[in-house]
Amino acid sequence: ELKVEQNPLFLSMQEGKNYTIYCNYSTTSDRLYWYRQDPGKSLESLFVLLSNGAVKQEGRLMASLDTKARLSTLHITAAVHDLSATYFCAVDDAGGTSYGKLTFGQGTILTVHP
Amino acid sequence: NAGVTQTPKFQVLKTGQSMTLQCAQDMNHEYMSWYRQDPGMGLRLIHYSVGAGITDQGEVPNGYNVSRSTTEDFPLRLLSAAPSQTSVYFCASSRAGFSENIQYFGAGTRLSVL
Repeated sequence: ELKVEQNPLFLSMQEGKNYTIYCNYSTTSDRLYWYRQDPGKSLESLFVLLSNGAVKQEGRLMASLDTKARLSTLHITAAVHDLSATYFCAVDDAGGTSYGKLTFGQGTILTVHP
Repeated sequence: NAGVTQTPKFQVLKTGQSMTLQCAQDMNHEYMSWYRQDPGMGLRLIHYSVGAGITDQGEVPNGYNVSRSTTEDFPLRLLSAAPSQTSVYFCASSRAGFSENIQYFGAGTRLSVL
């Protein structure tokens, strides 16, 4: 059974600081996703990571994937209030052919303070 | 282009009542999925479909039925609602044959069972 664990689950940051959210998963997977969810809203896709060593960046967020360690990180650089949200990682457990079956982490609630 | 549309947005049921949550997508996506979101547990897969006429169970299928008679629609039926089914339900769709296979989520249905 595929398990996905995120830490920390709660993260309170000051504006301008850097921090990293970690996502560990238990079995081999071909795809790892990061999503953002604002309170009461739907999920918005941030990144898709497909291979070992993959790194993607968008603004103040950078995601990376280490398939050997079964670890993905979401690094936040110089946080701003607008980044306050819940961040989920999710793993596609279909082993090659994706059928839209994702296993999600618990989510990290990020709050950025002035 | 509406994307993934879920109705209703909110619903209150009494224990034992039945209802259908509607999901429609206009992107001609082959894959569709239903998830439930509960605090501290991320999203969990209920049922998924890889095309019209083909459905399968996810992690938490008990108490829910699905069918997929068309590519566009994927309704979720609660046969006899229980308080444990109080949750936020998300429908998602994605396109087959693409390496990234990003899932697009609807706005969600917030269900309370009394």
